[in-house]
Amino acid sequence: GAVVSQHPSWVICKSGTSVKIECRSLDFQATTMFWYRQFPKQSLMLMATSNEGSKATYEQGVEKDKFLINHASLTLSTLTVTSAHPEDSSFYICSAIRGTMAGLNTGELFFGEGSRLTVL
Amino acid sequence: EDQVTQSPEALRLQEGESSSLNCSYTVSGLRGLFWYRQDPGKGPEFLFTLYSAGEEKEKERLKATLTKKESFLHITAPKPEDSATYLCAVQARSGYALNFGKGTSLLVTP
Repeated sequence: GAVVSQHPSWVICKSGTSVKIECRSLDFQATTMFWYRQFPKQSLMLMATSNEGSKATYEQGVEKDKFLINHASLTLSTLTVTSAHPEDSSFYICSAIRGTMAGLNTGELFFGEGSRLTVL
Repeated sequence: EDQVTQSPEALRLQEGESSSLNCSYTVSGLRGLFWYRQDPGKGPEFLFTLYSAGEEKEKERLKATLTKKESFLHITAPKPEDSATYLCAVQARSGYALNFGKGTSLLVTP
């Protein structure tokens, strides 16, 4: 099956620093990728939709200047948490659609393994 | 606003003890309802998509059903390897984003 890889799988950083998380589609091209955040025992919350070659679309309440998304190629999207604070500690998960948006309905949406961020 | 509520929050079953997980939803025009499995510290793994009331889908010991207000994930004769969190998500016709429930944490003991 298709694979979506996230790196790093976990990261610990000091408050005030910036952290970059990468999301790669390893064996397919992904025009659209999604970034989610998941707090313990909570649901996945969509943060933003990342489209290759254009600006990301952020969900209401998500600060675009704090969570910078760059989808510079068809296989890579990055999420940078700027000036991280302890409340940003969470499990960040990306997903990518293989093919067109219609692929969502046929199981062609693949999730990465997630990146656990801990801000001290 | 779309809402997805899953119950129970946690379920403990003995191996072979069949049960059902519930996903109640409200959405302004359903494009699809999704079931995913998530293991601890991992990303969700796709199981099913259901599109319209009355639809059913099966995969090994799992069977998903859909009505206009809820979906059930039936687990028949579960095994310990079925232990995971099962997530339900809805997709509205107005967009492509998935709105997830909090999940049901299933533990199957030998």
